[in-house]
Amino acid sequence: AQKITQTQPGMFVQEKEAVTLDCTYDTSDQSYGLFWYKQPSSGEMIFLIYQGSYDEQNATEGRYSLNFQKARKSANLVISASQLGDSAMYFCAMRVTGSQGNLIFGKGTKLSVKP
Amino acid sequence: DTGVSQDPRHKITKRGQNVTFRCDPISEHNRLYWYRQTLGQGPEFLTYFQNEAQLEKSRLLSDRFSAERPKGSFSTLEIQRTEQGDSAMYLCASSFPTGANYGYTFGSGTRLTVV
Repeated sequence: AQKITQTQPGMFVQEKEAVTLDCTYDTSDQSYGLFWYKQPSSGEMIFLIYQGSYDEQNATEGRYSLNFQKARKSANLVISASQLGDSAMYFCAMRVTGSQGNLIFGKGTKLSVKP
Repeated sequence: DTGVSQDPRHKITKRGQNVTFRCDPISEHNRLYWYRQTLGQGPEFLTYFQNEAQLEKSRLLSDRFSAERPKGSFSTLEIQRTEQGDSAMYLCASSFPTGANYGYTFGSGTRLTVV
């Protein structure tokens, strides 16, 4: 069965420090895509970063980078230089091959940035 | 085009009543998805449209739920005879069919409370 696991219900980080949010996935497919979304208290899901299963380089988008370890089936999100505005829920998701593009989400990690 | 719009943002209804939510996707996107997110969980896929055709439905979409996308533009999600277990955030997303990350854009969601 395809599944996303986020084992950290909550994380704290000091402002300006880096933080890693963990994500492991389970799939038997060779072709898949991994996503990270941010959900502030207002509710919208904001796309942060994408990693394809065949991408050889780890994805980066500004302060966000994805530490993709295919053999371990992990896709951890690294946020550098945390800001107070980074406080939110963070969800890891996987696009299921052959499912018309539906996403499977993990339970999320609540990140709190301390001043 | 400012993104995916959902209306209403909040809905409180009495058990047994019918409710209808609306989603206006990004006009160029021909794929539209509905997800449900309960407290403390990640979003779960409900159904998917390509243009006006409803191509996939999750087993979560009971007979009380119906979704439409007339003319391939906006979409509505109706819940008949609401139950307390229907209380959740209902998220809509739209995307192009191609592209590495499928360009998913989510709306801000409709938060339903059944009392």
